Amino acid sequence: DVKVTQSSRYLVKRTGEKVFLECVQDMDHENMFWYRQDPGLGLRLIYFSYDVKMKEKGDIPEGYSVSREKKERFSLILESASTNQTSMYLCASSLSVPQIGTYGYTFGSGTRLTVV
Amino acid sequence: DAKTTQPTSMDCAEGRAANLPCNHSTISGNEYVYWYRQIHSQGPQYIIHGLKNNETNEMASLIITEDRKSSTLILPHATLRDTAVYYCIVSSLLFGNEKLTFGTGTRLTIIP
Repeated sequence: DVKVTQSSRYLVKRTGEKVFLECVQDMDHENMFWYRQDPGLGLRLIYFSYDVKMKEKGDIPEGYSVSREKKERFSLILESASTNQTSMYLCASSLSVPQIGTYGYTFGSGTRLTVV
Repeated sequence: DAKTTQPTSMDCAEGRAANLPCNHSTISGNEYVYWYRQIHSQGPQYIIHGLKNNETNEMASLIITEDRKSSTLILPHATLRDTAVYYCIVSSLLFGNEKLTFGTGTRLTIIP
């Protein structure tokens, strides 16, 4: 089975800290995505990447950056964490050319980040 | 991407068929309908997708109307484990890549 692993399930950081959220997938997927999920707002796309060293802004990139130095790893960076970045962060990956049985995104279990 | 409209919540008795509707009246010809679900404290899980024909897999069936303006996800024999938020999404395939926009979905509760 495809696995998308997020490094932490729960994280508490202080305002102003630099925060790294790590995501690793083990099935050679080209595409990787970072979403945040807040009550009443659903999932919102922060950044995505279609290839190593490539990145594209999603719908809410402000306050975030990303890094994709290797195909299997996609990092989300909060340069200076703020309380309004308290949220559930979800990483996902997918194939560029879906094959039978491999459609859609595979999500990680999420990182619940609290900024105090 | 076209927008979708789903009911906020639904209940279904255990063992009955759960029918989850979705309106996507502005869908364009190259856009697929995708369904995902999210069980509490987990990431969303892909269920099924389709273009214009009805589709069935081991998890569910997808019925798309002839004009493609709406669809229904059917869970044929709902169990308590099917309690989740269900997302209906429409998206085109861009160069083989997919950028999916999730709304707030339908919260389905299976009643014992």
